[in-house]
Amino acid sequence: EVQLVESGGGLVRPGESLILSCAASGFTFSDHSINWVRQAPGKGLEWVSSISSTSTYKHYGGSVEGRFTISRDNARNSVYLQMNSLRAEDAAVYYCARGSCIYGDCYDYWGQGTMVTVSS
Amino acid sequence: DVVMTQSPLSLPVTVGQPASISCRSSQSLLHSDGNTYLNWFQQRPGQSPRRLIYEVSNRDSGVPDRFSGSGSDTVFTLRISRVEAEDVGIYYCMQGTHWPPVTFGGGTKVEIK
Repeated sequence: EVQLVESGGGLVRPGESLILSCAASGFTFSDHSINWVRQAPGKGLEWVSSISSTSTYKHYGGSVEGRFTISRDNARNSVYLQMNSLRAEDAAVYYCARGSCIYGDCYDYWGQGTMVTVSS
Repeated sequence: DVVMTQSPLSLPVTVGQPASISCRSSQSLLHSDGNTYLNWFQQRPGQSPRRLIYEVSNRDSGVPDRFSGSGSDTVFTLRISRVEAEDVGIYYCMQGTHWPPVTFGGGTKVEIK
């Protein structure tokens, strides 16, 4: 069974940093891209970042470019999102989702999410 | 970035009746590889998004056949042939043709009358 489990969320002050993790199981992790999507309270879905299967390609949404860094460790079946200089508007539930559309696994599995709160 | 526009915002439906959600993109979603990367997701209250439909009209495993997707180019539709109580939630369309970024519609809230 494919599983994605996020962790690392919590309450931080504006300007602080946080690292989110996404642990995968039930599939050959190193064959798949992984994405981060966030959802602010009561709002819709916003793509945040993606990383290709071998870390060759990394992409970021405009609102997080330069502040967030995505990485992965295929030996640990995990993806990470380093979030620096956090702002109030980064507060959201962060989901990791598997896949890349052109390779046929387009956001086909999602984790349960981890909540990030940014408040002074 | 491709803008995805969904309508209606809210959709009250009687159990057993059909429902239809529209999704329009600001540019054609036909990829140069010949596929159209338009997905539909369901998000039940308190849950993560779940993919229902991929590449316009392909149902994911375990998705009831009362859900169907159609469309092409810039106009797409998700239909529920007979709404059941468990279908309550927010439905999102998403394009993966012109990425980065993938972009989502604003969502349509399906509720029971």
